[in-house]
Amino acid sequence: GQNIDQPTEMTATEGAIVQINCTYQTSGFNGLFWYQQHAGEAPTFLSYNVLDGLEEKGRFSSFLSRSKGYSYLLLKELQMKDSASYLCAVRGTHYQLIWGAGTKLIIKP
Amino acid sequence: GAGVSQSPSNKVTEKGKDVELRCDPISGHTALYWYRQSLGQGLEFLIYFQGNSAPDKSGLPSDRFSAERTGGSVSTLTIQRTQQEDSAVYLCASSLGVGVEKLFFGSGTQLSVL
Repeated sequence: GQNIDQPTEMTATEGAIVQINCTYQTSGFNGLFWYQQHAGEAPTFLSYNVLDGLEEKGRFSSFLSRSKGYSYLLLKELQMKDSASYLCAVRGTHYQLIWGAGTKLIIKP
Repeated sequence: GAGVSQSPSNKVTEKGKDVELRCDPISGHTALYWYRQSLGQGLEFLIYFQGNSAPDKSGLPSDRFSAERTGGSVSTLTIQRTQQEDSAVYLCASSLGVGVEKLFFGSGTQLSVL
């Protein structure tokens, strides 16, 4: 079957760095996405990886290893506003996105 | 519009009643998706539209669920004879086309079936 795994919850300190991991098993691979979702709000797009390697975008970076079925989202210089759920999703064959359950990130002062 | 708009934002209904959820996508976006999000679970795909056509309805949980899209724009998701297990947040998203990376989500409709 198809499966996306990510930790349920993580806690980090303001100003620190945190890495959120995502492993996947899907039939076909056409890209991996990270979305941020604040409580009660719509998910918003963070990053898209289709080739192996690191994509950096300001304080956020996303890494992909297709051979290992593995990705991580790296958040640097954490701010209180980064407290949110982070959703990993993989596009398998065709158009459909398969979503992980999300990682709730709690930032403490 | 500026973003994806969903209405109502909250809906409380009694078991057995029908409900209709509305999604107004970003103007010009040809692809529209409906997802369901339950607490602690990943987004569950329900249906997607390319224009007014729904090539894949396989995600709809039962025949009580239906959706349509008219004019390549607004979509409605209808749930007939609601059950308590239908309680969830129903999210709509749109994109420029199917297979385009970035989905733009609405804020969702929180459905509570009593």
